[in-house]
Amino acid sequence: SYELTQPPSVSVSPGQTASITCSGDKLGDEYPCWYQQKPGQSPVLVIYQGSKRPSGIPERFSGSNSGNTATLTISGTQAMDEADYYCQAWDSSTVRFGGGTKLTVL
Amino acid sequence: QVQLVESGGGLVKPGGSLRLSCAASGFSLSDYYMSWIRQAPGKGPEWISYISRGGSTTYYADSVRGRFTISRDNAKNSLYLQMNSLRAEDTAVYYCARVPVSDYAVDYWGQGTLVTVSS
Repeated sequence: SYELTQPPSVSVSPGQTASITCSGDKLGDEYPCWYQQKPGQSPVLVIYQGSKRPSGIPERFSGSNSGNTATLTISGTQAMDEADYYCQAWDSSTVRFGGGTKLTVL
Repeated sequence: QVQLVESGGGLVKPGGSLRLSCAASGFSLSDYYMSWIRQAPGKGPEWISYISRGGSTTYYADSVRGRFTISRDNAKNSLYLQMNSLRAEDTAVYYCARVPVSDYAVDYWGQGTLVTVSS
């Protein structure tokens, strides 16, 4: 098994770009995805297969995966984007979530 | 529209059992892998189990293997989680989740059901 590591917190000013990373030894071979979770709500998928965006997710959300690091980028961050973000990946034997990153829009 | 509605949560004593159910609507359950994911208070999600479309393949996290059993009834569009030998650390909100297998991600989550293990 392996761990997925995220920074506990990221701060960004409204209108700026936020980047949240997720690191794991096997991540380059997997299909990382990202979820947004607001207080009291179920998580919402915002990126899957590293860089694909589900229908209904704003274009300001994008993802990339290079080497052992996946990155969620939010361009033109809005106050409504303030939430916890979790990465998740599958390998042959386990399904893992990262520890989560609290995004604060100051 | 897609809906996943969990039920069966509640307060149970350590060592006790519970059976969670998930009623799916708006799609054919047999077309999807399904999962149970839990989230302890103030913590991140933990993927605890999944089951293949026909039920022949299952996965369990180390934390629940041997105690929990996932099952499905495609004819009833329902997913289940039998939880035995419950421990305090199993206290969490339990989510039913739909997984398009080619996406390796959850595209729909239920609203969750709270399981509290306490004496």
